[in-house]
Order: sequence, then C-alpha cells, then structure tokens
Amino acid sequence: KNEVEQSPQNLTAQEGEFITINCSYSVGISALHWLQQHPGGGIVSLFMLSSGKKKHGRLIATINIQEKHSSLHITASHPRDSAVYICAVVKETSGSRLTFGEGTQLTVNP
Amino acid sequence: NAGVMQNPRHLVRRRGQEARLRCSPMKGHSHVYWYRQLPEEGLKFMVYLQKENIIDESGMPKERFSAEFPKEGPSILRIQQVVRGDSAAYFCASSPNPITGRLYEQYFGPGTRLTVT
Repeated sequence: KNEVEQSPQNLTAQEGEFITINCSYSVGISALHWLQQHPGGGIVSLFMLSSGKKKHGRLIATINIQEKHSSLHITASHPRDSAVYICAVVKETSGSRLTFGEGTQLTVNP
Repeated sequence: NAGVMQNPRHLVRRRGQEARLRCSPMKGHSHVYWYRQLPEEGLKFMVYLQKENIIDESGMPKERFSAEFPKEGPSILRIQQVVRGDSAAYFCASSPNPITGRLYEQYFGPGTRLTVT
C-alpha cells in the first residue's frame, strides 16, 4: 500500500464547478506539498503546508494532521486548470526528500 | 530571478550510450534533488546533494547511475550504458540551505525527457 494515496485518480468537471482532490497519508510528516503538472510540462509547486489552510487565487489547500488528510480545492474551475495534481509529503523519518502520491488527472471541459 | 534550469529538455540515446543530465538550481540555492518519473508511474526520489557532497542517495539504482554537484557549475546526473528501462522524465528540484530556516521548500525544473532507443 502506498504511503500517500490520492483520490480520485481521474476527475472530469464542467467549467465553473467546484473541485476537490483528496490526499491521505499513513506516515508522520513534517510538511505536505501540492504540485501541478501539465502534459509534457514541468512541475509547479502550488502549496507547501504543515497545518491549517492556505489560499492562492482560486486554489485552497487544507490539512488535518490528526486525520493525516489534506484536500486541494479549486473554485470556479476553468479548462486551463486541466492538469495532473500531485500530493507529496516530507516524511518525518526521511530528511527533506519528497514521497509522492500517484497524482489526480483533472480535466475541465468548457 | 531565473528558476531551476535543466538541460537538455529532451535527450535521445541508443542502448549502451551514456546520458548526462544537467541541473542549475535557483540563484542562492545550494541543495539539489533528483527525481525520476517512469512512464505511467509516479515520481520517485533518487538523490539529494549539496555542493561537493551527496547527502542521501538511497533512491539511486546501485549500478550505472551517479550524481554530482561540484563547487562550480550545475549538478549532473549521469547514466552509463543506458537501457530502455531508463526512459523517463528526470526532474531536478532545488532548495535553499536549511540553515536559512526555509525548510522543505523545493522548486522544480522543467525536466529532461530521456528516450532510449
């Protein structure tokens, strides 16, 4: 079983919908990252958080340390949000390197 | 302020050749990570370096792979005698020196797509 699990694996939405991507982990962590990867493109760091909630534009990330769970929300989704969203954790026992989830493929249709 | 740079962006090698992937960290960053993304798989850690020192190479295959980050110049991931299974996207990420207190920040480069024919 992966230490970092994301759901859903694939998500299709209509433009304007509110989107939630979930990440659960089974290890103690020092920090959690949400990353965005476009087809054929690089990886962009969206958020790094260790507690609470962060917001940037239409994106919101939350984390519940006790429940070992994080969510990424996208409000008023747009086709340009179509990408793979990846949850990655810094494990308490592994220095600063990242351990990744498998990613969630998001497609937003116009 | 330039971001993390990787070159080449695309690299084609025949089986048995050597591949050299380069990563220049963000200005002021002294630590570099290499990650690999095999086709249809998630990202996996390979190696973590600071200048002139390998901090953690627990994710590196034992044979054919090596990494360095010299005092001057980019970090280099070297794959000798490439095989088809090495075809993947290789991403570099850089981070500030941990003594700055900016722990766990990582900024990714655009990746190098290696194809072995």
